[in-house]
Amino acid sequence: EPEVTQTPSHQVTQMGQEVILRCVPISNHLYFYWYRQILGQKVEFLVSFYNNEISEKSEIFDDQFSVERPDGSNFTLKIRSTKLEDSAMYFCASSESPTGAYGYTFGSGTRLTVV
Amino acid sequence: GDSVTQMEGPVTLSEEAFLTINCTYTATGYPSLFWYVQYPGEGLQLLLKATKADDKGSNKGFEATYRKETTSFHLEKGSVQVSDSAVYFCALRGGNKLVFGAGTILRVKS
Repeated sequence: EPEVTQTPSHQVTQMGQEVILRCVPISNHLYFYWYRQILGQKVEFLVSFYNNEISEKSEIFDDQFSVERPDGSNFTLKIRSTKLEDSAMYFCASSESPTGAYGYTFGSGTRLTVV
Repeated sequence: GDSVTQMEGPVTLSEEAFLTINCTYTATGYPSLFWYVQYPGEGLQLLLKATKADDKGSNKGFEATYRKETTSFHLEKGSVQVSDSAVYFCALRGGNKLVFGAGTILRVKS
């Protein structure tokens, strides 16, 4: 069964450093998403991306965050200057349609720890 | 805005017990509804979904029915197994994104 692949599975970084989280969505999916889950809290939407543009973003997704599809397969989330409160599990997801009529497929996540 | 409310956990059951995890939602219109499961150390997996009122989603013995009148999508399973121990998230599609509930931890004892 096709899956969304995320790397690395765990990243530790110092406060103020830049991090890039990587995702390979399912190949025929056109809509891409990032969510995050702070430990013990609910899963929160960050951003959706289609046709090389952000289609929607949440209040969390401020100027410190950016997304990119640098080639035909990868989808990345960059945090420019990490803060302690960015420590969370970050999930990438993709879907065939914007409505998720066939479901959204999530990756296994990257656990980001900012120290 | 759109929101999802789930019953608080953890829910602890013995093997073969009946499971209900309550989920209610607030949304404009009639959103698609989902249950996702997160096993320890893993990502979110789609468990089941329903796209319109009175639809029943089912998978792996789990069921949930989209109830428009009560704005609910409760998850049920007739006989749980130890392997069902996980965190269960109810979610709705609002616009072009999913809105999740807080998650309910299920622990099944043998």
